[in-house]
Amino acid sequence: DAGVTQSPTHLIKTRGQHVTLRCSPISGHKSVSWYQQVLGQGPQFIFQYYEKEERGRGNFPDRFSARQFPNYSSELNVNALLLGDSALYLCASSRTHRDRVLTYEQYFGPGTRLTVT
Amino acid sequence: QQPVQSPQAVILREGEDAVINCSSSKALYSVHWYRQKHGEAPVFLMILLKGGEQKGHEKISASFNEKKQQSSLYLTASQLSYSGTYFCGTETGANSKLTFGKGITLSVRP
Repeated sequence: DAGVTQSPTHLIKTRGQHVTLRCSPISGHKSVSWYQQVLGQGPQFIFQYYEKEERGRGNFPDRFSARQFPNYSSELNVNALLLGDSALYLCASSRTHRDRVLTYEQYFGPGTRLTVT
Repeated sequence: QQPVQSPQAVILREGEDAVINCSSSKALYSVHWYRQKHGEAPVFLMILLKGGEQKGHEKISASFNEKKQQSSLYLTASQLSYSGTYFCGTETGANSKLTFGKGITLSVRP
């Protein structure tokens, strides 16, 4: 079975621009979470979506937004990019137990490396 | 609140054992352990749920002390493939949000 896929792999943007990152979960997984990982740190939670609804949001500004589509794929959008947004953006998918997402392990995609100059 | 992981780094010889700790200032609903190798995505190791249920790999064990709000990951008879950065992620309440620690770098040498 295919794992979690993310696109693009690498991206270079200029301050003030907008970026859209994409994620396709493992088949059968209805939940997608987004994380930001800067060098030397653990992944930091941005959003979680389940059945197209936002289930959780981390401490990120409103410049960050996301959505989940009927096929459970997801997009992360970041507006007005800042230098500090440079990071590895990870998407993770998981099964659910009823509506509890974190009963099961999360499978991470390879990430999108975003560089803001 | 970010969990605190200790020690900061571990260096082992093949075959040696190691314990990695994760502690939280808040009551824990679940603890998740992941390993990440350089340039790769985090890989699932173990989930420990409030109430005692565990899910994970056969060769790796962990404990979850709900009263002390701590979890430990036990790596026995370490192999070269165990090298990487180990992260614990904590869920403090049924809110589906995982907060990861800063990670511990573990190096296994021949």
